[in-house]
Amino acid sequence: EAGVTQFPSHSVIEKGQTVTLRCDPISGHDNLYWYRRVMGKEIKFLLHFVKESKQDESGMPNNRFLAERTGGTYSTLKVQPAELEDSGVYFCASSHLRGGTGQETQYFGPGTRLLVL
Amino acid sequence: AQKVTQAQTEISVVEKEDVTLDCVYETRDTTYYLFWYKQPPSGELVFLIRRNSFDEQNEISGRYSWNFQKSTSSFNFTITASQVVDSAVYFCALSEWANNLFFGTGTRLTVIP
Repeated sequence: EAGVTQFPSHSVIEKGQTVTLRCDPISGHDNLYWYRRVMGKEIKFLLHFVKESKQDESGMPNNRFLAERTGGTYSTLKVQPAELEDSGVYFCASSHLRGGTGQETQYFGPGTRLLVL
Repeated sequence: AQKVTQAQTEISVVEKEDVTLDCVYETRDTTYYLFWYKQPPSGELVFLIRRNSFDEQNEISGRYSWNFQKSTSSFNFTITASQVVDSAVYFCALSEWANNLFFGTGTRLTVIP
C-alpha cells in the first residue's frame, strides 16, 4: 500500500510569489491533515479535512493560506503571496477512521521543504 | 491547554548504550492519546506507538519500550542497545477529542558507532 505522498519535496521561492503544495493521502483515508514545522520549533497543526469538507482550520495562520480537497482525494495548500515567515516544512497526514474520537493514527508524508527568500 | 514538552533537545550515545527520551504532557481531558514518531534523515515522520489514557501498561516492542505514567503526566521512550540506525529526531505528540496532534519540539538522537 502506498503511503502519503507530497509534492514537491522542496520549493524555493521569492517573497511575494505563490506556491502550491500537494498531498496525496493513503487510499481510502477520509481524514487529511496539514501541519507545519518552522525551523527549531514544534510541528503545528494547520487544518483537518474529512473527505472534502474542512473539519477544523483553526491552525491556519492567516488568509494567505488556502487549502482545498476537491473530491475528497488529494489536497492542495496554496500560499499567496508568500512571506519570509512561511518558510518551514509542511507535512501532510492521513488517517482512516472518522474524526471526533482522537483514536486514529495519522500517517505522515515526507513533507515539503519551503524556503521563501 | 494542551502542551507537550520534550526537554532534551539533543542526546548522543555510543552504540549499544540504552537511552531514554523524556516526554511530559499537559491536558485537561480525561480521554486522550499519546504518540511517538521517528523522523529519520530522509525526513518522513514514522509512526511508532499510540497509547490511550486508560491504558497505563508499559509496552515493549523489540528494543523499544514505553513507560506511561499518568501520575507524572509522562510518556517516556527507551531504546535498549542503541544502534546507528536509531539516529533520528523523535517526536512525542498528544491528541484529545479534536484529533489534531500537539507535538513536542523533538529530541535529536545521535548514536555514535
